[in-house]
Amino acid sequence: QSALTQPRSVSGSPGQSVTISCTGTSSDVGGYNYVSWYQQHPGKAPKLMIYDVSKRPSGVPDRFSGSKSGNTASLTISGLQADDEADYYCCSYAGSPRVFGGGTKLTVL
Amino acid sequence: QVQLQEAGPGLVKPSETLSLTCTVSGYSISSGYYWGWIRQPPGKGLEWIGSIYHSGGTEYNPSLKSRVTISVDTSKNQFSLKLSSVTAADTAVYYCARDDPWYFDLWGRGTLVTVSS
Repeated sequence: QSALTQPRSVSGSPGQSVTISCTGTSSDVGGYNYVSWYQQHPGKAPKLMIYDVSKRPSGVPDRFSGSKSGNTASLTISGLQADDEADYYCCSYAGSPRVFGGGTKLTVL
Repeated sequence: QVQLQEAGPGLVKPSETLSLTCTVSGYSISSGYYWGWIRQPPGKGLEWIGSIYHSGGTEYNPSLKSRVTISVDTSKNQFSLKLSSVTAADTAVYYCARDDPWYFDLWGRGTLVTVSS
């Protein structure tokens, strides 16, 4: 299976909102409600931010939200903060394999 | 709290087998969940390698399936990764993680494995 498609980079100013897209196919993103999102700061392990398309683990601020339409999932971060600057990866179940996106670098201007 | 820790050689020669273990503390592997391996080449994105159920059932990335073996040792509360016939393209940070499924909610800190002679 191919990697999910994410924009290489997005940016926003503090306080603004940004949305990161994750496009797959009907065999992965479109076929299951099992999309997750991960935040990775440089030199650190990824951290789960969203699972099952739109659920937030305990401790993740409600500024982070997820959604899905057809074969495209989205992560929206509202009220941008400096610490949100990181790489973000989507991941989808694909009927046994799990497929990651190529990653998006979020820059907080 | 639940913690995962990878261990293994940081340098492997081309054509040899990469072997890593992940020790889980704060939770008994035999109680449930899948347990997975994910890797990240330097400066690149994440790639799922495979996952193992606590009872031993496995799922592998089709692109790596011919070279990968994941096993579990419940007596040591560990699970392991073996990747055979490695090349420089297998150089990466290797993470172990709890696979809920189908999301990875807990991660180890990662270990860099370099393939070089």
